[in-house]
Amino acid sequence: ETGVTQTPRHLVMGMTNKKSLKCEQHLGHNAMYWYKQSAKKPLELMFVYSLEERVENNSVPSRFSPECPNSSHLFLHLHTLQPEDSALYLCASSQDLRGAREKLFFGSGTQLSVL
Amino acid sequence: DQQVKQNSPSLSVQEGRISILNCDYTNSMFDYFLWYKKYPAEGPTFLISISSIKDKNEDGRFTVFLNKSAKHLSLHIVPSQPGDSAVYFCAASTTGGGADGLTFGKGTHLIIQP
Repeated sequence: ETGVTQTPRHLVMGMTNKKSLKCEQHLGHNAMYWYKQSAKKPLELMFVYSLEERVENNSVPSRFSPECPNSSHLFLHLHTLQPEDSALYLCASSQDLRGAREKLFFGSGTQLSVL
Repeated sequence: DQQVKQNSPSLSVQEGRISILNCDYTNSMFDYFLWYKKYPAEGPTFLISISSIKDKNEDGRFTVFLNKSAKHLSLHIVPSQPGDSAVYFCAASTTGGGADGLTFGKGTHLIIQP
């Protein structure tokens, strides 16, 4: 596989469930990101990791918990979500943090529906 | 307040004609601009970029124009093809903004009609 792979592609969960989104990049990049795309809104940056260390958290609610065990894998753990959290969650990577301002490589996203 | 604005949610263009997608920004510190293209059920992919030291960058059928004084950029696609039907996102960044990544607009859905 090449590029950035996200699983699952679709996820439906109740507000009391706990689930995790997975992202894997095969590009040898050192920075990884979670973005949220809600209907009729711009892509919103949620978390940034560089060399497995979190460097940015854009005031995301604690019901979203990221994990970056190594530079190739990124997880987003979800618990007690709200219906307004329903959105497309996109993972991205870049060569490094500076590369983020020039070019991001995105996965296909996980379409999340919270009931 | 949105720093990157794409005021046209959708645009319909006839195949073979020119498509012009517009983007405005408010942050004068932005110095690098990109366009991403997104098909349904796929993530955005990089299309073309421009640095603020330039006012034009061309790549095949795609040309991006930057007007710094107006804080405006546009993407021209000529000639438009059916495969160009997608959502186009404008994005911007600052020199020191690596950790912040990119600031995106809401996107414009381009529809190429046969």
